[in-house]
Amino acid sequence: NAGVMQNPRHLVRRRGQEARLRCSPMKGHSHVYWYRQLPEEGLKFMVYLQKENIIDESGMPKERFSAEFPKEGPSILRIQQVVRGDSAAYFCASSPLTGRYNEQFFGPGTRLTVL
Amino acid sequence: GQQLNQSPQSMFIQEGEDVSMNCTSSSIFNTWLWYKQDPGEGPVLLIALYKAGELTSNGRLTAQFGITRKDSFLNISASIPSDVGIYFCAGQTRGSQGNLIFGKGTKLSVKP
Repeated sequence: NAGVMQNPRHLVRRRGQEARLRCSPMKGHSHVYWYRQLPEEGLKFMVYLQKENIIDESGMPKERFSAEFPKEGPSILRIQQVVRGDSAAYFCASSPLTGRYNEQFFGPGTRLTVL
Repeated sequence: GQQLNQSPQSMFIQEGEDVSMNCTSSSIFNTWLWYKQDPGEGPVLLIALYKAGELTSNGRLTAQFGITRKDSFLNISASIPSDVGIYFCAGQTRGSQGNLIFGKGTKLSVKP
């Protein structure tokens, strides 16, 4: 059973470009979470999605950031017009359940560098 | 926003020593999770706790869910070199839709 997969592992963008980060959850998991990690910091929640639905986007910046989890295919975190402050590691996690027994399993992350 | 205070921030270990770290919060949590992260990798789930007072072990690791529901600790017994890394606590509050709140991590390094 493959774990959570993320690609690319490393992404370099120039200011103003778009960044697309992909996440395929573990088989059988229908809940996907995106987190951002700055150097020397813990992970910060961004968004929680189920198939075709955004459940909680309270951690997403209001502008330039969007996320989707279509019926088919991976979840996508999209950052438009990137700025240097967007440089961070972005992690995706998946869970088979929600509510109390919410064990989230993380992918290896995408490290975004904005030049 | 809600915060988890994790301590210590860093510690040095010598092989064979026991290690202890903890997390506290001003809010009540209904789930506590402990993760380990190696450089360049994602966090790996070590232990999950769901009930106040619960004590759970995973090999040389033991974690407890505090009675007040506002704290948790993780112990590592007889540490070995591969225990080096960053350990994060994470919790979920009652009103949460599922998102986890993370501590800032405890960095374990080998004593020089």
